[in-house]
Amino acid sequence: GEDVEQSLFLSVREGDSSVINCTYTDSSSTYLYWYKQEPGAGLQLLTYIFSNMDMKQDQRLTVLLNKKDKHLSLRIADTQTGDSAIYFCAENPYYNNNDMRFGAGTRLTVKP
Amino acid sequence: DAGVTQSPTHLIKTRGQHVTLRCSPISGHKSVSWYQQVLGQGPQFIFQYYEKEERGRGNFPDRFSARQFPNYSSELNVNALLLGDSALYLCASSEEPQGAFGYTFGSGTRLTVV
Repeated sequence: GEDVEQSLFLSVREGDSSVINCTYTDSSSTYLYWYKQEPGAGLQLLTYIFSNMDMKQDQRLTVLLNKKDKHLSLRIADTQTGDSAIYFCAENPYYNNNDMRFGAGTRLTVKP
Repeated sequence: DAGVTQSPTHLIKTRGQHVTLRCSPISGHKSVSWYQQVLGQGPQFIFQYYEKEERGRGNFPDRFSARQFPNYSSELNVNALLLGDSALYLCASSEEPQGAFGYTFGSGTRLTVV
């Protein structure tokens, strides 16, 4: 079946920018999300973007959406060691099954 | 305000047993969804309930069932446990069923089947 795809690992130096990429499956997906999961914890919603937007900025986070290629990215500016976590991309096709589809997650490691 | 609370936090069960996991949504949230997260993977959708009715079901066997109570809390039940049911079970709530602005997740119940 179709999967939401993400690269599994990303390593950056503290202070650099991080870019996490995602390819989603459903061109009708109305809502797209980025979640963060720290060890032993649940998922924390970082940000979301509606499909009628190309970009959304929220403090250090910038989300870019390319609907033609079904590509979503999350940029974290001035990455800190506290940003080390697993980041999940998710789509919500907004039809009646009401399920969210998640990627496998990208493990971000921030080195001092 | 309390977030989404789940109980228990950890659980060890034997193959063939039954388990009940519990979730209390954020106050005012009427939608509760359940997800299974196997180690190293993203969460997989199991069920969604809104106003005590099932609104969505993922690709899980009939051994999995759930319900939502009048206070909007929810239970996930799994019968005849298999080793492959070992996972982190996450509950998520939202004000409305589509979760347009995203779901709020609990910290999960870690289930280990031995």
